Amino acid sequence: QLTLKESGPTLVKPTQTLTLTCTFSGFSLTTAGVGVGWIRQPPGKALEWLALIYWSDDTRYSPSLKSRLTITKDTSKNQVVLTMTNMDPVDTGTYYCAHTRLLVLPTGTFDIWGQGTVVTVSS
Amino acid sequence: EIVMTQSPATLSVSPGERATLSCRASQSVSSNLAWYQQKPGQAPRLLIYDASTRATDIPGRFSGSGSGTDFTLTISSLQSEDFALYYCQHYNNWPPGTFGGGTKVELK
Repeated sequence: QLTLKESGPTLVKPTQTLTLTCTFSGFSLTTAGVGVGWIRQPPGKALEWLALIYWSDDTRYSPSLKSRLTITKDTSKNQVVLTMTNMDPVDTGTYYCAHTRLLVLPTGTFDIWGQGTVVTVSS
Repeated sequence: EIVMTQSPATLSVSPGERATLSCRASQSVSSNLAWYQQKPGQAPRLLIYDASTRATDIPGRFSGSGSGTDFTLTISSLQSEDFALYYCQHYNNWPPGTFGGGTKVELK
């Protein structure tokens, strides 16, 4: 069974850097085609895709947020880490990590998601 | 950026009835369209991709159709567990791909 779980701070101050960790099980990021992405949802608003890392270390970022995002993986720990710099109150929302796999799913779609972690940006 | 518009915002349906949800793209996304279901307090779940292909373990009462700019998710006979939020997402020329604002299917 594939599972993912997000963790990180619930409250960050404006201008600070947010670091979120996605810990997963049931699959490996050393398997060809596998990827883990991050998606967020501000309160009452639509989902927004942020970043994705593949088994090959290939990364993809949302063009509008690329300058603020870094996604990395630690295959020994089965973790993916997302950092977002210069946080602002508009970044408040629920952050999800999710699984995908090339050649099984279309690029940009995610079949298994974590429960999400709520991040509030406030001074 | 392609804007995805879902309608209606809320759909009131009785169990056993058919539910039809719409998603419109501001420009053609071909068949690069997915549907997700999200229940309160739960993670989103992929239902449909490539506009009409059911994801693994998704019941046959869920079907998707459309191409270009207009898409439909149909739930043929609504079950109690189907009351949820539904989102469409395009992945044409991904990244970034964008999601619609969602349709809430509620008990009539």
